Amino acid sequence: DAKTTQPTSMDCAEGRAANLPCNHSTISGNEYVYWYRQIHSQGPQYIIHGLKNNETNEMASLIITEDRKSSTLILPHATLRDTAVYYCIVRVGLSNFGNEKLTFGTGTRLTIIP
Amino acid sequence: DSGVTQTPKHLITATGQRVTLRCSPRSGDLSVYWYQQSLDQGLQFLIQYYNGEERAKGNILERFSAQQFPDLHSELNLSSLELGDSALYFCASSVGWTGETQYFGPGTRLLVL
Repeated sequence: DAKTTQPTSMDCAEGRAANLPCNHSTISGNEYVYWYRQIHSQGPQYIIHGLKNNETNEMASLIITEDRKSSTLILPHATLRDTAVYYCIVRVGLSNFGNEKLTFGTGTRLTIIP
Repeated sequence: DSGVTQTPKHLITATGQRVTLRCSPRSGDLSVYWYQQSLDQGLQFLIQYYNGEERAKGNILERFSAQQFPDLHSELNLSSLELGDSALYFCASSVGWTGETQYFGPGTRLLVL
């Protein structure tokens, strides 16, 4: 699985959009970008994933650059409950060989400021 | 709520002891994954079971073992416990055996004294 690079920490004002960057310059053509977050010591929570097109769901938007070497997770209206560690993970999608595990890096600690 | 349940929530035990952690996957999910999160190692994959069979192995110690039962719940057995085994242990589940989104349970916090 490709390695990812994320800023160690970020702050965002409550009500503003939080934009979390992730670099994955060695990503392969069949690798997806996944985002999870972990609030305090709770179980990691799935947010969103994508291959090459931008994706949006009820939680967030995922913007992947055209060359796929970087992506940005956007939380449109951040609230205090969005304070968490956000993990960007690159992994192969469906395959016959199996790439079952998720490899978590150190993530970005996002703090929402009141 | 992810639909994945784990018991117990907290566990305190002594060195040398053996404990069993339990995980029930989301309804319909056939794969169960175990992860360990310690302060110095971060979140690390331990092992995966799919429909009762071991599917993938990560950094799992020989003192640790797991199994998945016919009703698809899974147990992680930790034996000869050491202080360094103190960590959060998470279970995740997914529908199939590769590539699908994994959904995590709330975790079991193990403290070895």
